[in-house]
Amino acid sequence: ETAVFQTPNYHVTQVGNEVSFNCKQTLGHDTMYWYKQDSKKLLKIMFSYNNKQLIVNETVPRRFSPQSSDKAHLNLRIKSVEPEDSAVYLCASTKSRISNERLFFGHGTKLSVL
Amino acid sequence: AQSVTQPDARVTVSEGASLQLRCKYSYFGTPYLFWYVQYPRQGLQLLLKYYPGDPVVQGVNGFEAEFSKSNSSFHLRKASVHWSDWAVYFCAVPGGYKVVFGSGTRLLVSP
Repeated sequence: ETAVFQTPNYHVTQVGNEVSFNCKQTLGHDTMYWYKQDSKKLLKIMFSYNNKQLIVNETVPRRFSPQSSDKAHLNLRIKSVEPEDSAVYLCASTKSRISNERLFFGHGTKLSVL
Repeated sequence: AQSVTQPDARVTVSEGASLQLRCKYSYFGTPYLFWYVQYPRQGLQLLLKYYPGDPVVQGVNGFEAEFSKSNSSFHLRKASVHWSDWAVYFCAVPGGYKVVFGSGTRLLVSP
């Protein structure tokens, strides 16, 4: 049963546009993540927030910015998308910031940049 | 730094046959380890998790995995594959405040 909800499911846009993706978890977890999955299914962590505080910020272009209003929500904004941003963006959560805990994933947002 | 390697990008198995998906890890000490599965157009779901202790871990849907410290491995097994097991399988290891995933193994099930 899904408890991490992502919107939209798909988004098609053109180079240079701004896009925003939303993620909400109903598990009461403290920590949320954004992962990028490319066309070869490779998963790379982008950001992690614990109780609205940024704790992981991998080497990600500055046009990507996460936003967290409370611990249940973590959004992702991409300012001026590039073709290489085409991917599936997966949101996930864990009970705490301890990395040996199970991740709960949303179904993903597939971004296509034309 | 901690990492996992899945040497097989794609594995094809006949329905009803047994399965082994390979995973090698690099970690200082004894790690926790995970196997996740991703069905088409879905996010990842946990199959099983290894806690230091019994080396054989039972998961959902008949999957199990065996931890080997001497071989730095955590291979996934299933005795009899079903067509619904068609998916991508990821091995993962914790590192700092994040989980590091392998490159995934795509399992194809033939009739």
